[in-house]
This record gives sequence, C-alpha cells and structure tokens, in this order.
Amino acid sequence: SQQGEEDPQALSIQEGENATMNCSYKTSINNLQWYRQNSGRGLVHLILIRSNEREKHSGRLRVTLDTSKKSSSLLITASRAADTASYFCAISTGRRALTFGSGTRLQVQP
Amino acid sequence: GAGVSQSPSNKVTEKGKDVELRCDPISGHTALYWYRQSLGQGLEFLIYFQGNSAPDKSGLPSDRFSAERTGGSVSTLTIQRTQQEDSAVYLCASNLGVSGANVLTFGAGSRLTVL
Repeated sequence: SQQGEEDPQALSIQEGENATMNCSYKTSINNLQWYRQNSGRGLVHLILIRSNEREKHSGRLRVTLDTSKKSSSLLITASRAADTASYFCAISTGRRALTFGSGTRLQVQP
Repeated sequence: GAGVSQSPSNKVTEKGKDVELRCDPISGHTALYWYRQSLGQGLEFLIYFQGNSAPDKSGLPSDRFSAERTGGSVSTLTIQRTQQEDSAVYLCASNLGVSGANVLTFGAGSRLTVL
C-alpha cells in the first residue's frame, strides 16, 4: 500500500510540552502533507513539504522529510489544549488523489 | 462559495434504501474528490473529478456506489441499496486541479448511518 502510516496512533501530553508524530510510506512521492481534523469532520491543511525539501516551519509546526527512509515527522511545539485533534499525513504521487494514513489522535491536557 | 459545502450533514437511512450526498466545491476549483472515513479510521479515496476528463473511479468499493459532477461544479455521490458497512462520514474536497498544488480543501462531511 502507498498509504502513509502514522505513529503513534494516540498521544497524550500536557500543555506546554512538544508533540511529535511520525509518518512512514512505501512509494516515491511528489510531496507530503499534514492535515488536522477536529471532531471527526472536515480536515484542514496544515503544511506541505516537497520531495526535495528536508525541513519546513510554519508557526509552532515543524515538519521534516527523509526520502531515503520514506518517513516524515510533525512536531508541534509548546502545545495547547486547542491542539487536541487527529493529525493525518497524506502522500502525493503521480496520481492526483492524495492517500491518507490512519492518523494520530493527540490529546493535550490543560 | 467561500468553502466546500456538503449536504446533508447527517443522514440516517434503512438498509436497502438509496441515498444521495451532495457536494458544492469552492468556486473555480476544477478538481473534486470524494473520500470515506469510517469511525476512528483514515480516509479512503473513492472518486476524483478533474475538469472535463473522465473521472478516476478506482476507489469506489462496489457498483452500488456512483458519482456524477454536473457542469463542472456540484457533485452527487449516490449509494444504492445501502448496507450497514456503508455507515461512515463521506468527505468531499476540492482544489485548483492541475494548475495548482494538490492541497485539498475539505467540506465538513456527511455522516451516514445505515440501520
């Protein structure tokens, strides 16, 4: 399967701590994206990293990509209770449709 | 519109009935996608429309599922003779298609419950 696989499946941390989620995949990619989902409804795009990039930042988010290991990580620094959500990686290959992983459920305790 | 609009937000139906789910993408977005998400799971690709090209139907799970997109805008996903395993949230997304990065803007989803 080309699907991204997130690790861990669930993560519980205290406010102010950092949260790290990992994504592994099996095929060559054009880019890799991270999305956030609240309450099991629509997903919101967070950040995109291209296959020729190794690291990208956006506010409290830091994404890394290692194409040799076919893996990516999403780091959320100084987490807040409002960061509680599910986070999904999505890989883009030659097909236009993104393939999504099963997600990491993040719980940030106030 | 300002965002991707889906209706109904919730649908409860009896096994064997047909259902139609509607998606109104962002104005100007030529690409439209349908995904399905079962409880606590990731997203399963169903179908993809790009402009006037033939849709990519490779993700449709059975011939009970079909979708159309009229006038390059609104799309309807139809599930015939619904089964309990069809219960899920059906998510629609759109983007600018081949002219832009394939970042998706999602609707809020239609939650389908088949009794």
